[in-house]
Amino acid sequence: AQKVTQAQTEISVVEKEDVTLDCVYETRDTTYYLFWYKQPPSGELVFLIRRNSFDEQNEISGRYSWNFQKSTSSFNFTITASQVVDSAVYFCALSEELNAGNMLTFGGGTRLMVKP
Amino acid sequence: SQTIHQWPATLVQPVGSPLSLECTVEGTSNPNLYWYRQAAGRGLQLLFYSVGIGQISSEVPQNLSASRPQDRQFILSSKKLLLSDSGFYLCAWSARRRDEQYFGPGTRLTVT
Repeated sequence: AQKVTQAQTEISVVEKEDVTLDCVYETRDTTYYLFWYKQPPSGELVFLIRRNSFDEQNEISGRYSWNFQKSTSSFNFTITASQVVDSAVYFCALSEELNAGNMLTFGGGTRLMVKP
Repeated sequence: SQTIHQWPATLVQPVGSPLSLECTVEGTSNPNLYWYRQAAGRGLQLLFYSVGIGQISSEVPQNLSASRPQDRQFILSSKKLLLSDSGFYLCAWSARRRDEQYFGPGTRLTVT
């Protein structure tokens, strides 16, 4: 069965520091998809990125970057020069290809607090 | 563009009262629809999902039910609320050939 683990429950940093959120997954499928979502204090989950298992290129979007490593089953998320607005709970998720209903398996989330 | 609506935004209900939360999606057709619950400070729990009108799959047996009377409408109901039903309820949709889900603003339910 699939599983997503976010070992860091809470992280606190000072503004402008870089921070990496860890995500480790388990799946038996060779084709799968990985996701990151942001949940700000307002509560709505915001989709950040989708990655398929055949694409191990790192992705960068502004201050956000993602490092996908199949060898360690990890899909880590780095925020460079963090800002107070980055404070949120971040969820990593996994979807297996043969999955009726496109269901996602979510990790437990990491609460990031960025202090001014 | 697609949008997803949920209402009400907040709700305070006494134990034993009924519940009806509604979710509608605009700008897409034949979406997959999902209901999640998030207890305070906890992760996401998938409650129900639907791949079509009248088709509901339940992930967690409990006193909640879901219905999909129209293609882009998903309703979460209960006949009698329990204290343990308190939480943040999120509706989400995904396109048929895509895995990413897009979430609504959520309903914060407090059962007193």
